[in-house]
Amino acid sequence: AQSVAQPEDQVNVAEGNPLTVKCTYSVSGNPYLFWYVQYPNRGLQFLLKYITGDNLVKGSYGFEAEFNKSQTSFHLKKPSALVSDSALYFCAVRASGGSYIPTFGRGTSLIVHP
Amino acid sequence: DGGITQSPKYLFRKEGQNVTLSCEQNLNHDAMYWYRQDPGQGLRLIYYSQIVNDFQKGDIAEGYSVSREKKESFPLTVTSAQKNPTAFYLCASRLDRGNSPLHFGNGTRLTVT
Repeated sequence: AQSVAQPEDQVNVAEGNPLTVKCTYSVSGNPYLFWYVQYPNRGLQFLLKYITGDNLVKGSYGFEAEFNKSQTSFHLKKPSALVSDSALYFCAVRASGGSYIPTFGRGTSLIVHP
Repeated sequence: DGGITQSPKYLFRKEGQNVTLSCEQNLNHDAMYWYRQDPGQGLRLIYYSQIVNDFQKGDIAEGYSVSREKKESFPLTVTSAQKNPTAFYLCASRLDRGNSPLHFGNGTRLTVT
C-alpha cells in the first residue's frame, strides 16, 4: 500500500519570505514523487517530480523540492513567495515498480500575504 | 494546443437523473483517469483506463460508469445510484511511460439537488 501525508491543511507566509509545504510518504520500494498545484476552479498542474538522482529537484515557477529518503519526505520549497503562489498544493506518490496509479495527499492551502 | 477538455464546466441535475461528463484529450495519451474532489479530502480515483476498450474501477467506483471507445475520449456517467454526487470532477491523462506525470482538465462542477 502507498500513502501520502500532508500534515498542514494551511500554510501562511508573507510575500518575499521562504515557503515550505510538507509531504511525507509511505511506499514499498523506491518512490516516484510528484507535486501539483491547483488554482480555484481549475485542474491540477504538474510542478515537479523526483524519480532518481539528485535529492534537490527544481520545477516550474521557481519551486523546488527536497527528497529525504531516511525521513520519507518530499517537502516543497520556494526561496521567496509571491502572492500569486497562493493556491492548493498536492503531493503524490507511487511505487516505481508498482501500478501507474499515484496516491494523492489531501492538499495544503498556501496563502501568501502581501 | 494539446490538452484535456472537460465539458460542461458547471452542471446542474435533479436527484434521480443520470448525467454524463465529457472528457476529451488530444495529447495522444494512452491512459485516462477520473477523480472526484471534495473539500478537505484530496483526490479520489473513480475509474481509469490504460487502453481503448478497457477500464478498471478505482477506489470509489460505485454509482459511476465509464466507457473508452476511442483513445481521445473517456466519458463518465454519474448514475442515480451514486448517493452523494455533488462534487468537482477531474479528468486526467498520462503518457504511458514509467514516470510521466498526470495532465488534468479544468474540471466539471456537478450539483445535484
